[in-house]
Amino acid sequence: EPEVTQTPSHQVTQMGQEVILRCVPISNHLYFYWYRQILGQKVEFLVSFYNNEISEKSEIFDDQFSVERPDGSNFTLKIRSTKLEDSAMYFCASSATRDRDFRPQHFGDGTRLSIL
Amino acid sequence: AQTVTQSQPEMSVQEAETVTLSCTYDTSESDYYLFWYKQPPSRQMILVIRQEAYKQQNATENRFSVNFQKAAKSFSLKISDSQLGDAAMYFCAYRRKDDKIIFGKGTRLHILP
Repeated sequence: EPEVTQTPSHQVTQMGQEVILRCVPISNHLYFYWYRQILGQKVEFLVSFYNNEISEKSEIFDDQFSVERPDGSNFTLKIRSTKLEDSAMYFCASSATRDRDFRPQHFGDGTRLSIL
Repeated sequence: AQTVTQSQPEMSVQEAETVTLSCTYDTSESDYYLFWYKQPPSRQMILVIRQEAYKQQNATENRFSVNFQKAAKSFSLKISDSQLGDAAMYFCAYRRKDDKIIFGKGTRLHILP
């Protein structure tokens, strides 16, 4: 079965540095998402992306965050100047459609981001 | 705003027994989707089962089934014949019309051999 793949599985970065988390969604999917999970807490929605633009974002997704689909296969999340509180597991997800002909969101295995 | 509540932070069940995980949600939408996701120690998110709100029939996937009570806004997960591999954090989730998923805080399930 096709999978969403995320790289790297673990990223360690100095505070203040930029980090890019990469995701390869399932190839025929059109909707892409990022979620994060701070250790011990629930999974939180960050942003959704469709047709090369952000369709929805949460209050967590401030100016330090950006997303991009640079080449038609990758979907990236960039954090410009990382803070300690950005340490979390980041999940990418994709789905084929969001209408009545329902398809679930498929999640990647996550990237663990550790900010030192 | 929609909320998802899982009132059981942790549960334990004997191997081969049946366990039910609770979930309630709050929404004013009439059309939505509900899910249970499993997160094993590897931390990946695995879709266990889904339910469309417009369907009255409870979803079933092998040993996993739900009890969907739309009027009560309740969506519990029943795991039959529990196996050691079922040990994980289970998240109840609500998917809004705009496609955003709202997760509960999770229930950690322990399987006792």
